[in-house]
Amino acid sequence: KAGVTQTPRYLIKTRGQQVTLSCSPISGHRSVSWYQQTPGQGLQFLFEYFSETQRNKGNFPGRFSGRQFSNSRSEMNVSTLELGDSALYLCASSFSGGGPEQYFGPGTRLTVT
Amino acid sequence: DQQVKQNSPSLSVQEGRISILNCDYTNSMFDYFLWYKKYPAEGPTFLISISSIKDKNEDGRFTVFLNKSAKHLSLHIVPSQPGDSAVYFCAASAYGGSQGNLIFGKGTKLSVKP
Repeated sequence: KAGVTQTPRYLIKTRGQQVTLSCSPISGHRSVSWYQQTPGQGLQFLFEYFSETQRNKGNFPGRFSGRQFSNSRSEMNVSTLELGDSALYLCASSFSGGGPEQYFGPGTRLTVT
Repeated sequence: DQQVKQNSPSLSVQEGRISILNCDYTNSMFDYFLWYKKYPAEGPTFLISISSIKDKNEDGRFTVFLNKSAKHLSLHIVPSQPGDSAVYFCAASAYGGSQGNLIFGKGTKLSVKP
């Protein structure tokens, strides 16, 4: 069974630009969650999508948005990039959401210059 | 306000000894707790979990203890092995673990020396 895949793995963007990250969940999984990992803040929950609907949202500004497609693939978008958005962005998938069934991808390393 | 706290950024243990990683939480609504292990350049991997209706859960060398009155949980690894060297994250959920919005601590880097 293929794991969670994230593309691209590495990305360098300039302040003010926007970026789109992609996550393909494990086949059959309907929940996709996104997390931001930074050295100072650890892993912070961004949002969760379940069956194409945003089910939960973390405490991030509106510049961070996401969506989920009918095949459960998910994208997150960050507009007007700031230096502080440099981080590892992780997505996790599960069949129904959360718990030990949540499998993480390897992440996308975003660097904003 | 950090709802899940791992106050020790790092821990060094000798191979074969016990590793104890600690985690405190502030939100009384949390009812499901998990530990994840993370190697560099990889996503976190689930280790063990515990529901708030229990105070202990074991899985091989890993045991998690939950003290609800103190809002404290700990992960014990016995015996510790060099391959256990990684960053360990404590996470909590207020939905019995049924939804994908886990709240994580900042992690503890465990180094197991041969």
